[in-house]
Amino acid sequence: NAGVMQNPRHLVRRRGQEARLRCSPVKGHSHVYWYRQLPEEGLKFMVYLQKENIIDESGMPKERFSAEFPKEGPSILRIQQVVRGDSAAYFCASSPRQGHYYGYTFGSGTRLTVV
Amino acid sequence: QQPVQSPQAVILREGEDAVINCSSSKALYSVHWYRQKHGEAPVFLMILLKGGEQKGHDKISASFNEKKQQSSLYLTASQLSYSGTYFCGTEGAGNTPLVFGKGTRLSVIA
Repeated sequence: NAGVMQNPRHLVRRRGQEARLRCSPVKGHSHVYWYRQLPEEGLKFMVYLQKENIIDESGMPKERFSAEFPKEGPSILRIQQVVRGDSAAYFCASSPRQGHYYGYTFGSGTRLTVV
Repeated sequence: QQPVQSPQAVILREGEDAVINCSSSKALYSVHWYRQKHGEAPVFLMILLKGGEQKGHDKISASFNEKKQQSSLYLTASQLSYSGTYFCGTEGAGNTPLVFGKGTRLSVIA
C-alpha cells in the first residue's frame, strides 16, 4: 500500500544547474498533479498530467519548467537553469480519476534549495 | 481564483472548539479539506460536494454552502494531534485541478 513516492526529499542545486524531481503515484492512479509551496504560503498549482499527456499546465512558468508523465516510470518535473527564486517545496499528488469525488494523495515533497 | 481562508492562525487549549472558514468568489462544485503537519505531506480529510451537505468523522466535521460559495471546518474538543495547517481546496466546474487557500495554522496547547 505504498503512497505517493517523491525523490529526492532534499535537493541542493547551484544557480544555472538543472533540477529533476521525481514522483511515483499511488499504484493504479493515473492522474498526477504538481504543486509548489513557499513558507507560510498555500499550495500553488503548477501542472496536471495523465499518462503521456499534459492536461493543464496553466500554473507552470513557460520558460525553464517542464513536466512529463511517461507510459512507464515516474512523473518528472524538470527545472532548467535554476535561480534562487525556484527554492521551494514541490509536492506531487495523485488521484485515481479526475472528478469531484476523489481526494488527492500527496507525497512528502522535494525541498529544493538553490545556492 | 484562490479561496480565502480565515482565520490565518488560531491557538486553542486542549478541549476547545474551532471553526475554519473558506470562501470563494467563483461557483464551486466541491470543497476538499487537508491537514499538513510541519515538514510533512498534506493529508486528505474530507470532500464536500455541492448540495449543502455536511460531513464529519470523529470530532472533525465540515459544511458546504454552495449558494454562498463557502465551506467551514469544525473541530470540536480539540486534541494536541489536531495541530497543523489546514488547507481548503476548491474545485469549479469542468473537473479542474484543486486551487488551495493559504491555510490556517492551528496550534493546540495543553
